[in-house]
Amino acid sequence: GQQVMQIPQYQHVQEGEDFTTYCNSSTTLSNIQWYKQRPGGHPVFLIQLVKSGEVKKQKRLTFQFGEAKKNSSLHITATQTTDVGTYFCGGGSNYKLTFGKGTLLTVNP
Amino acid sequence: ETGVTQTPRHLVMGMTNKKSLKCEQHLGHNAMYWYKQSAKKPLELMFVYSLEERVENNSVPSRFSPECPNSSHLFLHLHTLQPEDSALYLCASSRLVDSNQPQHFGDGTRLSIL
Repeated sequence: GQQVMQIPQYQHVQEGEDFTTYCNSSTTLSNIQWYKQRPGGHPVFLIQLVKSGEVKKQKRLTFQFGEAKKNSSLHITATQTTDVGTYFCGGGSNYKLTFGKGTLLTVNP
Repeated sequence: ETGVTQTPRHLVMGMTNKKSLKCEQHLGHNAMYWYKQSAKKPLELMFVYSLEERVENNSVPSRFSPECPNSSHLFLHLHTLQPEDSALYLCASSRLVDSNQPQHFGDGTRLSIL
């Protein structure tokens, strides 16, 4: 079945440093979605990418979808303590999302 | 504030107990989902419902029994669970059963099996 691999599993940064998490799918995706889960919270939808090579920005967050629609990345510029949480990608295929394990980001103030 | 409400937030039960988890969505969505979230594992899709009809049963043991009486409510009935079933159980909804639709998650039920 479809698999979505996400790396790294953990990332600890100093406040102000950049952060990137990557997702790779074993199959071509119809779309990729990114979610953030704060500690003790639930996943919250951030963004969806649909087109090959698509790039979207949300303030300090930049999301990319690969040309082959099999990989994606989330980059945060100048991290802040409010960025702490686990970032998940969900790859869309058929009618369901297959999620990666997530990257837990911690930020040292 | 989430448009998806789950109760209870925490549940501790013995392996011989029977309990139910409840999920209610106030978003007018037609699709609802149950996920299991365990430490160091991806979110595992358990069940998918579209307009009260089950469209996915992802090889889930029969000790988990879903029920969807209408498009706003989803239950997960539990009986004779095992210690490895301890996890966070998340309910989600989307406008349609379509992987292009964003999913809205509830706060989850933290389940502990003694």
